[in-house]
Amino acid sequence: EVQIVESGGGSAPPGGSLRLSCTISGVTFSHSNMNWVRQAPGKGLEWLAYISASSTTINYADSVKGRFTISRNNDKGLLYLQINSLRDEDTAVYYCARDRPLHYFENWGQGTLVTVST
Amino acid sequence: IVLTQSPGTLSLSPGERATLSCRASQTVSSTYLAWYQQKRGQAPRLLIYSASTRATGIPDRFSGSGSGTDFTLTISRLEPEDFAVYFCQQYGSSSYTFGQGTKLEIK
Repeated sequence: EVQIVESGGGSAPPGGSLRLSCTISGVTFSHSNMNWVRQAPGKGLEWLAYISASSTTINYADSVKGRFTISRNNDKGLLYLQINSLRDEDTAVYYCARDRPLHYFENWGQGTLVTVST
Repeated sequence: IVLTQSPGTLSLSPGERATLSCRASQTVSSTYLAWYQQKRGQAPRLLIYSASTRATGIPDRFSGSGSGTDFTLTISRLEPEDFAVYFCQQYGSSSYTFGQGTKLEIK
C-alpha cells in the first residue's frame, strides 16, 4: 500500500517562509514523479508544482512561479516545497501527490495545513 | 486550459443515476483527463484516468466518457458513500488544471 505523509505546515506571518516536506512509502521514491497541490478552505484544488524522479524536469503554476520552489532528496526519500513571501491567499491544505506517466495523481497524502496570519 | 464543471451542485437520491459534466476551454487529450472524488476532511481519491479507465478498486458503477472538450462522469446507481465532491483534471503544456468541482448531495 502506498502511503504519503506531509509535514511542515503551521502558522506563519505574511512575508514569512515555510518549508513543507513529504515522504512516500510502498513505492520506490526515486522512481516517482511528484507534485504539490493545494486547497484553500472551502475551495477547489490548485496544482502548484511538478518534479520528475531525477529532478531533471520541474514545472510550476504561473500563480506561484518565483515564490515557490519544489525540490527532492532521493537519498533521504524526501520531497520539499519551499514557500517564500507568504501571502494571505497561501492559506490552504497542501497535498503531496504521486504523478503517473499519463499525468494523473494516483496517490495523495492527507495534507498539511498552512495558515498565513499575524 | 480552463475546466468548467456542471452543475455546481447535484441533488439526487440513493439508487438514482448521476451525470457530471466537465467542459474544457480548448481541446484536451482524453489520455490526460482524470476524475477524483473528495469527501469532507479527506484527500482526493482517483476514480478515472484517461477519460474512461477506472482506477484500481473503483466500483464499476463509476464510468467516464467523452473527448475533445466535453467529458462526463456517470455514477449508475448512487450509493450513500458516493455523496461527495467530484473534480475533473487535465494535463497539457506541462501544467495541470482542475475543474471547480461538483458537489453531489443527498436529496
